[in-house]
Amino acid sequence: SQQGEEDPQALSIQEGENATMNCSYKTSINNLQWYRQNSGRGLVHLILIRSNEREKHSGRLRVTLDTSKKSSSLLITASRAADTASYFCATVVGQAGTALIFGKGTTLSVSS
Amino acid sequence: NAGVMQNPRHLVRRRGQEARLRCSPMKGHSHVYWYRQLPEEGLKFMVYLQKENIIDESGMPKERFSAEFPKEGPSILRIQQVVRGDSAAYFCASSPPAVGEQFFGPGTRLTVL
Repeated sequence: SQQGEEDPQALSIQEGENATMNCSYKTSINNLQWYRQNSGRGLVHLILIRSNEREKHSGRLRVTLDTSKKSSSLLITASRAADTASYFCATVVGQAGTALIFGKGTTLSVSS
Repeated sequence: NAGVMQNPRHLVRRRGQEARLRCSPMKGHSHVYWYRQLPEEGLKFMVYLQKENIIDESGMPKERFSAEFPKEGPSILRIQQVVRGDSAAYFCASSPPAVGEQFFGPGTRLTVL
């Protein structure tokens, strides 16, 4: 079963608006990461938040982590058409503690 | 510094043939991961390798799939006797020896006819 589940599955907004995506996970984590995937391309790492952190910023991105609720959110402020992509949260699990487990992603469409 | 390289980018095979997917990690990265992505799905972990060692293959199908990361050369994901259900995008990622960000290649899209 999925470790991470993103919500919503799809999100359509206008340029300039903020986009919020949520991720819930099931087991204890070392860290949680957010990745972006443009259509038909590889994944690009956006941000990593460790289990002892509650909030992290990177440019127009803000990530929060609530380990008591086993959830994280990704906020993209002042969205642009170029932000159109699928966004995945990933947690580190696995026998060796390094495999990333991805959710199904949120597909974000930003129209100009 | 070149990113993670994968080749071929697209691979078409007929049922029963073998597929070989190659991955060259970023310079200085000794850890390689393979993931599979089905249409409209997230990535599913398959295998984690270090040079000459398979560290975690808990996501690999028990049959027909194998992976290696030799001392010299790229990592290879090999699928024998491919079936239509193997059609997917296969992504390779690499990382330096620490838990953290993984750097992904552009993927190989395998189509089985």
